[in-house]
Amino acid sequence: QQPVQSPQAVILREGEDAVINCSSSKALYSVHWYRQKHGEAPVFLMILLKGGEQKGHEKISASFNEKKQQSSLYLTASQLSYSGTYFCGTENFGNEKLTFGTGTRLTIIP
Amino acid sequence: DTGVSQDPRHKITKRGQNVTFRCDPISEHNRLYWYRQTLGQGPEFLTYFQNEAQLEKSRLLSDRFSAERPKGSFSTLEIQRTEQGDSAMYLCASSSIRDTTYEQYFGPGTRLTVT
Repeated sequence: QQPVQSPQAVILREGEDAVINCSSSKALYSVHWYRQKHGEAPVFLMILLKGGEQKGHEKISASFNEKKQQSSLYLTASQLSYSGTYFCGTENFGNEKLTFGTGTRLTIIP
Repeated sequence: DTGVSQDPRHKITKRGQNVTFRCDPISEHNRLYWYRQTLGQGPEFLTYFQNEAQLEKSRLLSDRFSAERPKGSFSTLEIQRTEQGDSAMYLCASSSIRDTTYEQYFGPGTRLTVT
């Protein structure tokens, strides 16, 4: 089943913070976060694995609650370049494939 | 590291024609994935390879779709007898199982329009 992302869309002023959530109904092995700008490929931001290992860009932070099967992406001091659609991709045990959520559209205004 | 490349970037075809797309992964990446993305949706998994072996194929993938990775390097995705519902962006991604975090890196995609 497809993970659920919230909010579906958010508008921020430059410098404000945002949190994007991703929730799954199945047990998760890992959560991957991507940002996609219109007409471009998804760009890798962060991966979080069961057990606590994670890897990502310096200015991006995220959390992974294994018990609740949820992950959150934290965007602080947002910049205009942060605009785009954010997708979480979830990996269930034994699948080794990603199931992507419906996305969160983030718009940053000056 | 030149990134994942895909060819062609755009393809317009008439219904019923066959089309083939190519993906070149990041060198030394042994896993290669194909996804399909329609407007307003997240990428949808189609199939993936580890080296030359096709390990999984989505149940959503009809028998008109076939993918190969003959030498464990580049991959091709063929769609036979295209239908208008096949219009979408076809994305390729690659990863390395030597990385404990095996994040996937996407190519620019091939946009298919079936008329």
